[in-house]
Amino acid sequence: GAVVSQHPSRVICKSGTSVKIECRSLDFQATTMFWYRQFPKQSLMLMATSNEGSKATYEQGVEKDKFLINHASLTLSTLTVTSAHPEDSSFYICSASGVRGGYTFGSGTRLTVV
Amino acid sequence: DAKTTQPTSMDCAEGRAANLPCNHSTISGNEYVYWYRQIHSQGPQYIIHGLKNNETNEMASLIITEDRKSSTLILPHATLRDTAVYYCIVVNNAGNMLTFGGGTRLMVKP
Repeated sequence: GAVVSQHPSRVICKSGTSVKIECRSLDFQATTMFWYRQFPKQSLMLMATSNEGSKATYEQGVEKDKFLINHASLTLSTLTVTSAHPEDSSFYICSASGVRGGYTFGSGTRLTVV
Repeated sequence: DAKTTQPTSMDCAEGRAANLPCNHSTISGNEYVYWYRQIHSQGPQYIIHGLKNNETNEMASLIITEDRKSSTLILPHATLRDTAVYYCIVVNNAGNMLTFGGGTRLMVKP
């Protein structure tokens, strides 16, 4: 079946620094990538949607200059949290969808900003 | 995409069938019903999806009512490892995002 690899699984960074999270589709071409954020005991909240080669579409309330999304190829999307602050600490999850439809999720990245 | 309603939590005895209901009364004709589950601190795992016919795979069965306004996910023989939050999501499968509700927290007990 479809596999999406997300890393790192866990990262701790200092306040003010930037962190990059990678999401790769291993055995299919991901025409669309979705990035979610999940706070403790809450559901997944969509942050942005990106199509390969296009600029990402951000959900209301998500700062596009803070959460940089790149989807330059059909197998790789990255989310960069710039100038991270403690309130950005969360569980970040990517999801990929290909031409055959369906949605495959990565294993998530636990970001802790200290 | 149509909104779904699920019970907040459910318990199930190990070895018994777990039946998780979902209401999606505003579902439209081209929208699929997807089920995912999320075990603590992991990404959501695909379980099953369907349009209008009942579906079965190695993990579960999906029963969709004839009017498609509700569905039930059935785990035939629940194990302790099935303890997770189960999400019922309705989407038109045309590359649109999945919108997650609160899900049902299933606790499988010995």
